Amino acid sequence: DAKTTQPPSMDCAEGRAANLPCNHSTISGNEYVYWYRQIHSQGPQYIIHGLKNNETNEMASLIITEDRKSSTLILPHATLRDTAVYYCIVRVGSGGSNYKLTFGKGTLLTVNP
Amino acid sequence: DSGVTQTPKHLITATGQRVTLRCSPRSGDLSVYWYQQSLDQGLQFLIQYYNGEERAKGNILERFSAQQFPDLHSELNLSSLELGDSALYFCASSVAGSPLHFGNGTRLTVT
Repeated sequence: DAKTTQPPSMDCAEGRAANLPCNHSTISGNEYVYWYRQIHSQGPQYIIHGLKNNETNEMASLIITEDRKSSTLILPHATLRDTAVYYCIVRVGSGGSNYKLTFGKGTLLTVNP
Repeated sequence: DSGVTQTPKHLITATGQRVTLRCSPRSGDLSVYWYQQSLDQGLQFLIQYYNGEERAKGNILERFSAQQFPDLHSELNLSSLELGDSALYFCASSVAGSPLHFGNGTRLTVT
């Protein structure tokens, strides 16, 4: 699995958009970008994933650059409950039966009142 | 609610003992993954089962073992426990290439 690089921490004001960057310059053509978050000691929560097109769901938007070497997770209106560690992970999407996720250190996002 | 159920939520035991952690995957998910999270190591992949068979192994100690039963629930057995085994243990499940969904973990404290 390709390695990802994320800033260790970020701050965001409540109600503003939170933009979390991730570099994955060695990503392969069949690898997807996944985002998870972990709110203090709870299980990691799936947020969104994508291959090369931008994706949006009820939680967030995922913007992947055209060369696929980096991506940005956008939380459009951050709330205090979005304070968590956010993990960017690249992983193959299909074609096998082992789809383990390899977690790095992630980004601690702190949403401030 | 991810649909993945882990029991017990908390477990306190002494060094040298053996414990069993249980995981019920989401309905329809054939794969179960076990992860360990300690303060200094982050989330570490231990082992994966797919439809009852071991499919991938990560940083799992020989004192640890797992199995997946015909009803697809899984158990992680930890034996000869040491203080350093104190951690959160998470189970996740998935079907094919779908995203993994995690339970809320079992917090193991070894005293």
